[in-house]
Amino acid sequence: QSVLTQPPSVSAAPGQKVTISCSGSSSNIGNNYVSWYQQLPGTAPKLLIYDNHKRPSGIPDRFSGSKSGTSATLGITGLQTGDEADYYCGTWDGSLSAGFWVFGGGTKLTVL
Amino acid sequence: EVQLVQSGAEMKKPGESLKISCKGSGYSFSTYWIGWVRQMPGKGLEWMGIIYPGDSDTKYSPSLQGQVTISADKSTTTAYLQWSSLRASDTAMYYCARGIPMIRGVFYFDYWGRGTLVTVSS
Repeated sequence: QSVLTQPPSVSAAPGQKVTISCSGSSSNIGNNYVSWYQQLPGTAPKLLIYDNHKRPSGIPDRFSGSKSGTSATLGITGLQTGDEADYYCGTWDGSLSAGFWVFGGGTKLTVL
Repeated sequence: EVQLVQSGAEMKKPGESLKISCKGSGYSFSTYWIGWVRQMPGKGLEWMGIIYPGDSDTKYSPSLQGQVTISADKSTTTAYLQWSSLRASDTAMYYCARGIPMIRGVFYFDYWGRGTLVTVSS
């Protein structure tokens, strides 16, 4: 069971918008930046969003991120079939002296 | 260009030892964390640990501590993940990723290797 909670799956039609939630606690999301990763089938994860809402070079502005309190949200607009992938949130957790990184359980996006 | 090149797929028997590698290039290897992430078949991403090659500071997942050893060689800009005695449950894809440092750990992982598939079976 992951420290960060994501819905197992979401779906929407092409062209529509979808949001994926990521819920944590004060020891992780509440006090650290959140990043999001996209994993297309059979490939390595790729950084999608960092520092809660920033996009790396090359990531289209259809992808957005936000954070409020101990939760974060990934938004994808103008859905395309190529967006079908697993999406993971991640952040640092400071609840132990050394700290550790945590990922959400992942959300499978289906574009109907 | 930043690259993380991982070693090839491995097939091992239970009880055997293994060391897989991740070679970084195109950046200052010593000043970024290298993290290891496990993905068991059909499952999600699981963080295993990180190492800061500059001073070999290492942090492990609380749930995996003692099961693996993470190391790095600055001279060859290579990080390693090793097991002393593999189990069938270690069968997974293992990714390395570059971590952007913050005071206590990592802000995020910006570049990822393609993964090393480890299969443990008798």
